[in-house]
Amino acid sequence: DQQVKQNSPSLSVQEGRISILNCDYTNSMFDYFLWYKKYPAEGPTFLISISSIKDKNEDGRFTVFLNKSAKHLSLHIVPSQPGDSAVYFCAASAKGGSEKLVFGKGTKLTVNP
Amino acid sequence: GAGVSQSPRYKVAKRGQDVALRCDPISGHVSLFWYQQALGQGPEFLTYFQNEAQLDKSGLPSDRFFAERPEGSVSTLKIQRTQQEDSAVYLCASSLAFSGTYEQYFGPGTRLTVT
Repeated sequence: DQQVKQNSPSLSVQEGRISILNCDYTNSMFDYFLWYKKYPAEGPTFLISISSIKDKNEDGRFTVFLNKSAKHLSLHIVPSQPGDSAVYFCAASAKGGSEKLVFGKGTKLTVNP
Repeated sequence: GAGVSQSPRYKVAKRGQDVALRCDPISGHVSLFWYQQALGQGPEFLTYFQNEAQLDKSGLPSDRFFAERPEGSVSTLKIQRTQQEDSAVYLCASSLAFSGTYEQYFGPGTRLTVT
């Protein structure tokens, strides 16, 4: 039973355009959400996060939006750059737990020059 | 400063062999996590330590999996009598406890192949 779902296995965009990666979750106890970026043969690298008390968090080219009623979050990258090509994982953590992260299956983003 | 390191980076084991995977967390990080990532999947939680105490081992798939962190720093994940389904990348992550951000820093992983 996937508690965090990334329904798009891959996404291809042109350099300079916006990339939008989506994530849905089912567990109402999740109160913190993170996006990680992963290059081949490396571990995931933290990108940006958002608390459930917010609906938007921005860091440079990266913005995460949270819609709690829809149990949906999205990561916007604008403008997209070829170096952004990687696998992006959505992750969530539940309050009161061990701070373990529950990950989606990832979306492979390709930014074409 | 130095990030999370893991060794070995690659391990090939014959079915039935025991393996030990090592994780060196970021200095001062109280929390340490192990995850298993199968091909084409996201990382899946295995176990969690706070200092030397193993507070959550609900993700360990069987009693062949054992983890320890005896002095609250380096951790070892041991898999006994390896099976082909154990083939995966094993990721270690560490974090500051009670940071409120849940941000975890990951090592490069150990790719285990059981033949």
